[in-house]
Amino acid sequence: ETGVTQTPRHLVMGMTNKKSLKCEQHLGHNAMYWYKQSAKKPLELMFVYNFKEQTENNSVPSRFSPECPNSSHLFLHLHTLQPEDSALYLCASSQDRLAGMNEQFFGPGTRLTVL
Amino acid sequence: DQQVKQNSPSLSVQEGRISILNCDYTNSMFDYFLWYKKYPAEGPTFLISISSIKDKNEDGRFTVFLNKSAKHLSLHIVPSQPGDSAVYFCAASPISIQGAQKLVFGQGTRLTINP
Repeated sequence: ETGVTQTPRHLVMGMTNKKSLKCEQHLGHNAMYWYKQSAKKPLELMFVYNFKEQTENNSVPSRFSPECPNSSHLFLHLHTLQPEDSALYLCASSQDRLAGMNEQFFGPGTRLTVL
Repeated sequence: DQQVKQNSPSLSVQEGRISILNCDYTNSMFDYFLWYKKYPAEGPTFLISISSIKDKNEDGRFTVFLNKSAKHLSLHIVPSQPGDSAVYFCAASPISIQGAQKLVFGQGTRLTINP
């Protein structure tokens, strides 16, 4: 596997279910991100992890719970979601440097539908 | 309030001609600007970037221009090819002393190259 992988690619869940999204990066990066893309809206940053530590929570509801056990893996745990949470969830990674632009590399995304 | 705006949801260009995609931003703290390209069922892929100390960056058929006083950037693709048909996202980031950068994305412009 190369680059950034995400599983599952598609997920349908009820509002009472608990599920998890998984992201894995094979690039040796140390920063990982979760984004949400709703229909006709820009990508919205949800969470940032830098060296496994969460450095950003962009006012995300607590029904979304991230977990970063190591620099290569990132999870998004979902519980009691609402239909309006249906969206494309994208994971990204980048190499943390103190100076300069660190382009982010994205996975293919998980298309989530909440019924 | 949207800090990065792409006001054209779609653009259609003849093959071989120049494609010009535009992006405006409001936050004067943004220091890095990037363009991403997205095909259906794939995550965004990094295309080209520019820092605020430059006004132009070129990479093959792709050139990004930055006008800081107008808070405007544009992506020029010349000559346009059918494989360039995709959704293009503009993104911006403030300089980050901690490394992991928070990208703010525009809504995207769907570019179609007609043979």
